[in-house]
Amino acid sequence: DTGVSQDPRHKITKRGQNVTFRCDPISEHNRLYWYRQTLGQGPEFLTYFQNEAQLEKSRLLSDRFSAERPKGSFSTLEIQRTEQGDSAMYLCASSLGGSGGTEAFFGQGTRLTVV
Amino acid sequence: AQTVTQSQPEMSVQEAETVTLSCTYDTSENNYYLFWYKQPPSRQMILVIRQEAYKQQNATENRFSVNFQKAAKSFSLKISDSQLGDTAMYFCAFMKGYGGATNKLIFGTGTLLAVQP
Repeated sequence: DTGVSQDPRHKITKRGQNVTFRCDPISEHNRLYWYRQTLGQGPEFLTYFQNEAQLEKSRLLSDRFSAERPKGSFSTLEIQRTEQGDSAMYLCASSLGGSGGTEAFFGQGTRLTVV
Repeated sequence: AQTVTQSQPEMSVQEAETVTLSCTYDTSENNYYLFWYKQPPSRQMILVIRQEAYKQQNATENRFSVNFQKAAKSFSLKISDSQLGDTAMYFCAFMKGYGGATNKLIFGTGTLLAVQP
């Protein structure tokens, strides 16, 4: 399967714990995005990587959130000291660079539940 | 800042019928792209159709077509000959045009479409 894959698919954690999610983009895609989707809402942009460089972060990304893409391939999103408000679906997407309007390919997401 | 509004939280259509999903957006940009994405239950989001703002011709992909009204900032999706597999959440999304932009998507809140047999 050459699509975007995310791991784990589901994560239940206790409030205050740290969690880390992984995203493997389509191999030739140099652009990688993280979005957060809560119930009844559309996905909201969190952060963007071009290769290994994190070029944009949303104001939604508090200092408890950190994302990396160390070799320009897979990416990780870590949430420290989780709060109940962090419960959401975390989506990863990747796309080719170049001209605008390129299609973003999404993974199936990681559903986080903070109890 | 750009915003995308989908005013129909849920819609229902009979199999083989035609349905139109509405989307309006607000932007001061002149160069941008609009998208409709489909998110089936428990499956990943996939692109349905894309429209470049500088193109006057409405985009079409098989049974899916759009009505793009740039002056009105309206971008509706028409699904013809609806099929059971079209049941999904549909998101309208905006992307700024290229020019150092991140190509991030700004989504509406979605319309849940149910196709009835």
